[in-house]
Amino acid sequence: NAGVTQTPKFQVLKTGQSMTLQCAQDMNHEYMSWYRQDPGMGLRLIHYSVGAGITDQGEVPNGYNVSRSTTEDFPLRLLSAAPSQTSVYFCASSYGEFTEAFFGQGTRLTVV
Amino acid sequence: GDSVTQMEGPVTLSEEAFLTINCTYTATGYPSLFWYVQYPGEGLQLLLKATKADDKGSNKGFEATYRKETTSFHLEKGSVQVSDSAVYFCALGKRGDKIIFGKGTRLHILP
Repeated sequence: NAGVTQTPKFQVLKTGQSMTLQCAQDMNHEYMSWYRQDPGMGLRLIHYSVGAGITDQGEVPNGYNVSRSTTEDFPLRLLSAAPSQTSVYFCASSYGEFTEAFFGQGTRLTVV
Repeated sequence: GDSVTQMEGPVTLSEEAFLTINCTYTATGYPSLFWYVQYPGEGLQLLLKATKADDKGSNKGFEATYRKETTSFHLEKGSVQVSDSAVYFCALGKRGDKIIFGKGTRLHILP
């Protein structure tokens, strides 16, 4: 069972570079979301999607873009990385917004 | 708006001690309640859940009871092990809204 797969696991970027964090799920879940986890801050919702072609902003969307062209994939794009985006990023999926969420292993991103 | 408050950590206990991690919530309607656990270097995984008042969720020796009268969902375990060292998140989910997570409580178990 693959569940939710995130790549890469680790990434170092220079300020101003762009990159895409990949997230894929094989459970046919409609709802997918991206969180960032910072020390002492818990989880903060960046963007979410309730189905293919539909995305919306979460609590901390600035500096991030998303798209959802298929049910399986929900990539997160950093257009111009900043040191403030140094964090651990988690992708999650679920049957619905309010139901049990399945998380990926996380991507540890450092922006220097 | 809806919110989840859980006790600040870290919590440090000796092996075989009794564990309680407090969680209270504020929500309109009838939320489902969850406890998630995050082991070092991993993502969150569901530990247990309860979908209505007075339900008890249980898994791996952990238990939590959905108390509507006190708006609480405290996590308990009778005898903790070193392998229980992790970060624990309380969360609520409600139809028509997104899951809301608490800030997490780090638990250290000493051998």
